[in-house]
Amino acid sequence: GAVVSQHPSRVICKSGTSVKIECRSLDFQATTMFWYRQFPKKSLMLMATSNEGSKATYEQGVEKDKFLINHASLTLSTLTVTSAHPEDSSFYICSARDLAGGPYEQYFGPGTRLTVT
Amino acid sequence: GQNIDQPTEMTATEGAIVQINCTYQTSGFNGLFWYQQHAGEAPTFLSYNVLDGLEEKGRFSSFLSRSKGYSYLLLKELQMKDSASYLCAVRVFDQAGTALIFGKGTTLSVSS
Repeated sequence: GAVVSQHPSRVICKSGTSVKIECRSLDFQATTMFWYRQFPKKSLMLMATSNEGSKATYEQGVEKDKFLINHASLTLSTLTVTSAHPEDSSFYICSARDLAGGPYEQYFGPGTRLTVT
Repeated sequence: GQNIDQPTEMTATEGAIVQINCTYQTSGFNGLFWYQQHAGEAPTFLSYNVLDGLEEKGRFSSFLSRSKGYSYLLLKELQMKDSASYLCAVRVFDQAGTALIFGKGTTLSVSS
């Protein structure tokens, strides 16, 4: 149980275009989803916390107009990187918190590798 | 601010025991997690400590001392497949509720 999927797994886009990444909890309801980004050989940096039905809370330094987050249902959150630039190239990982609770806190998706050319 | 420190790299041989340390200074504490991450993949959960002491789970054990802001992950009977990055993460209370703050990870290389 507790499976989180992400789509796409890899995406290459041109500078200036927008890219949408989906995060789904497949077998549980997630009131809260988290979006992280990870640069090579670096740790996961929390970008934002997404609560179902409300606006996302962004961490300091993360541009909310550039990284649009929508959490319209208990099983789906999306991250849209708008007007992408090469410096946005990164590994984006989502995680979801099980509504049923428990100490495991978050289940991670497999990640999306974004390359902006 | 939030600060989590762990060694950048460690090496060990098959069959050995290795201990990966983690120290933290965070505003609030609501549990400490260890994750394993292979290159290009998402982290997978290894252990969780919220009270002081040792939690054992097969070849992996994790220890926590809240008063010292210290934890370690102990890996026994090392196998080649244990070569990965090990992430220490602290759950804190932030503006959105609770969040996991990650250390930079320790890259463990296991050789034969």
